[in-house]
Amino acid sequence: GENVEQHPSTLSVQEGDSAVIKCTYSDSASNYFPWYKQELGKGPQLIIDIRSNVGEKKDQRIAVTLNKTAKHFSLHITETQPEDSAVYFCAASINTGTASKLTFGTGTRLQVTL
Amino acid sequence: GAVVSQHPSRVICKSGTSVKIECRSLDFQATTMFWYRQFPKKSLMLMATSNEGSKATYEQGVEKDKFLINHASLTLSTLTVTSAHPEDSSFYICSALATRVGELFFGEGSRLTVL
Repeated sequence: GENVEQHPSTLSVQEGDSAVIKCTYSDSASNYFPWYKQELGKGPQLIIDIRSNVGEKKDQRIAVTLNKTAKHFSLHITETQPEDSAVYFCAASINTGTASKLTFGTGTRLQVTL
Repeated sequence: GAVVSQHPSRVICKSGTSVKIECRSLDFQATTMFWYRQFPKKSLMLMATSNEGSKATYEQGVEKDKFLINHASLTLSTLTVTSAHPEDSSFYICSALATRVGELFFGEGSRLTVL
């Protein structure tokens, strides 16, 4: 089955700096790669996703890049703010449109300090 | 965006009792829902895939008689933890697949504490 590794497990940045979280996946058939933000005591929220036919996607301060050959994808957050502090999970799946079984990374605890 | 409601958000029960957790897709139909378990500071572990009108598919190592899943309608799936024990204490999260857009939306989670 799919295996997703995520690094780093914790990340501390100063407000205004950029944060980068990296994930690798094992199943070359995976074609959907979402990123989730989870705040304490809450469910994950989708912040951005990318499909395998795209190499990069950007949404304001958040961007995701995908390298299918190397089987890795990364989340980039620019101009970080304290409210970005949370746990971030990457995930991978084979999204057929009728079922989407996600395999999650181990999570990255991001802390943005003032 | 799509909303998935989970209820209850917190529940405390005694050992040996059963607890039901509901997962509802509020503004879309979901033929497929997923149930996850999350331990403190850990990732989400898929427990089972719930398909409307059919039996759930359980992941390896998950006891189907312990964690009963029912997906009776296109907007509701339930997880019942039967004969709960302290080791069942955990954060349970559901997600619903919005087929039209091909995205998963997550509920807010249910924290179960078994005394």
